[in-house]
Amino acid sequence: GDSVTQMEGPVTLSEEAFLTINCTYTATGYPSLFWYVQYPGEGLQLLLKATKADDKGSNKGFEATYRKETTSFHLEKGSVQVSDSAVYFCALSSQGGSEKLVFGKGTKLTVNP
Amino acid sequence: DTAVSQTPKYLVTQMGNDKSIKCEQNLGHDTMYWYKQDSKKFLKIMFSYNNKELIINETVPNRFSPKSPDKAHLNLHINSLELGDSAVYFCASSQDWAEQFFGPGTRLTVL
Repeated sequence: GDSVTQMEGPVTLSEEAFLTINCTYTATGYPSLFWYVQYPGEGLQLLLKATKADDKGSNKGFEATYRKETTSFHLEKGSVQVSDSAVYFCALSSQGGSEKLVFGKGTKLTVNP
Repeated sequence: DTAVSQTPKYLVTQMGNDKSIKCEQNLGHDTMYWYKQDSKKFLKIMFSYNNKELIINETVPNRFSPKSPDKAHLNLHINSLELGDSAVYFCASSQDWAEQFFGPGTRLTVL
């Protein structure tokens, strides 16, 4: 079945450091890919998405590129802030209109001042 | 206005009790979901309803019964609560291709 593997956390960075959170997937067909973010005590929010190969999703300084050849969708940000501290989830939605999201296990990011 | 709301936010109860969690969305979406997030933050879909019809049921025990009185509401009733049911339960809704909007979560603690 479909699955998402993302790097284990926690990740701790200093403010203004470069962030990469790795995400790879296994899916039949051509899934859509997503990054969701969960701030402490809140529900998940969509951060960015990409629906086809070579698409780049971007939002709030975060970027991720849909790489079909490596089945990856790594999340990057050039300069993190304390306010970026959260849990980040990579997810996919398989072709077929099921609207079913499969999530990775989440990566907790802590940014220190 | 809150887009997806859940009540209660916290629920503490004894093993064996029956409890319900309510979810409402005011986004006009056709599809609603229940997810369970365990203590390690792993998030797994439980159910999905589209226009009040069950479309996803992910091998959840029969003790869990979702009910959708209309497309804006999806409630979750849990019978005979067990320790392993302790988790955060999230409701979500969507209209487009899998772009889901999540509620704030209900933290259930079974003692």
